[in-house]
Amino acid sequence: DTGVSQDPRHKITKRGQNVTFRCDPISEHNRLYWYRQTLGQGPEFLTYFQNEAQLEKSRLLSDRFSAERPKGSFSTLEIQRTEQGDSAMYLCASSIISGATNEKLFFGSGTQLSVL
Amino acid sequence: AQTVTQSQPEMSVQEAETVTLSCTYDTSESDYYLFWYKQPPSRQMILVIRQEAYKQQNATENRFSVNFQKAAKSFSLKISDSQLGDAAMYFCAYRSTGTASKLTFGTGTRLQVTL
Repeated sequence: DTGVSQDPRHKITKRGQNVTFRCDPISEHNRLYWYRQTLGQGPEFLTYFQNEAQLEKSRLLSDRFSAERPKGSFSTLEIQRTEQGDSAMYLCASSIISGATNEKLFFGSGTQLSVL
Repeated sequence: AQTVTQSQPEMSVQEAETVTLSCTYDTSESDYYLFWYKQPPSRQMILVIRQEAYKQQNATENRFSVNFQKAAKSFSLKISDSQLGDAAMYFCAYRSTGTASKLTFGTGTRLQVTL
């Protein structure tokens, strides 16, 4: 168990550019979540996958955001035409769902995005 | 929609002492989960403790315990015998039952631990 891995750790980009983040969940975890955390706030839910299916998206996820989880393994979060308001830390978490067991999230260390 | 409020932006405690972090929430649901997460400078959110709303007994995990007051919608975290490693941001979070882990977090409390 190597934990949830996120890459890159930091990303600086200019307004209008596209960026992509990657999350590698814990092996065999079937759920994967994306959260966004702005300065001075707690994380906010963006979207989640069960295996390769994206089951829910928050209203926070505008059309410029897209997430994928091909083959139910790693996930990518892409932001197109970045805006300064997109500056935040993007957290990924994974969990394993089996029957009615309590779900426990394991978080990565996040990708800190700065849009200049 | 559910809301979570943490009214203490910062708290300080001396090593080996006890500190209590406050959290209140608002919901119309009768069954739900509440959590306390710790976020150290490494940025990784770590689950500290979890409480199911249907359980009257307060959850405990070693030096960490909660005071869950369902009627008052209050969920405080008590850290006993504080250690330097406890210094971090602490977030209270809410989750509805029957759904995925779409957590609603508070704004956090920064805990400092002094010698």
